[in-house]
Amino acid sequence: AQTVTQSQPEMSVQEAETVTLSCTYDTSESDYYLFWYKQPPSRQMILVIRQEAYKQQNATENRFSVNFQKAAKSFSLKISDSQLGDAAMYFCAYTENGATNKLIFGTGTLLAVQP
Amino acid sequence: AAGVIQSPRHLIKEKRETATLKCYPIPRHDTVYWYQQGPGQDPQFLISFYEKMQSDKGSIPDRFSAQQFSDYHSELNMSSLELGDSALYFCASSLTRQLTSGRGNIQYFGAGTRLSVL
Repeated sequence: AQTVTQSQPEMSVQEAETVTLSCTYDTSESDYYLFWYKQPPSRQMILVIRQEAYKQQNATENRFSVNFQKAAKSFSLKISDSQLGDAAMYFCAYTENGATNKLIFGTGTLLAVQP
Repeated sequence: AAGVIQSPRHLIKEKRETATLKCYPIPRHDTVYWYQQGPGQDPQFLISFYEKMQSDKGSIPDRFSAQQFSDYHSELNMSSLELGDSALYFCASSLTRQLTSGRGNIQYFGAGTRLSVL
């Protein structure tokens, strides 16, 4: 069965600094998608970034970028120029390529941003 | 842009009562997913529907049932409620038919329904 592991329950970063959140996963599939979702105190689940496993190029979305290491099954999220609004729970998630596949989430990393 | 709409936002029920949660997906989305997020936990997949047919099933209790209607909205019915059912219930939708468009497999979440069982 596929699993997603986030080994950092909590992280803290100074405003304007850079922080990296770790995620590892386990799968025997070769074609899949990886995601980072953000859940602020409002509890809304917001998509931050998506990575397709067949693409070697790391995905980027403005201040957010990933380091995708397929062989190591690692998928870390880097947040540059951290802002107070980045404070949230961040979930790493996995889904297989294909129709109607469920998301498997990690346990989350709570990010605090210090002013 | 229209988002996933869930109702109600908050629901308080007594033990052994019944609850119905509703989800209205993004227009033209053909797939709906239900997730349960307990306090301090990650979301857990319950069930999904593609084109009004059940497509996948997770750790959904037998007391729960769900369906997707002709207008693509979905309802999660929960009976004989237990204290442990207190959680945030998310609905998400996606456009599965456009997997090749570059936007496939992206699930967009509603704001959730917070269910409290007393």
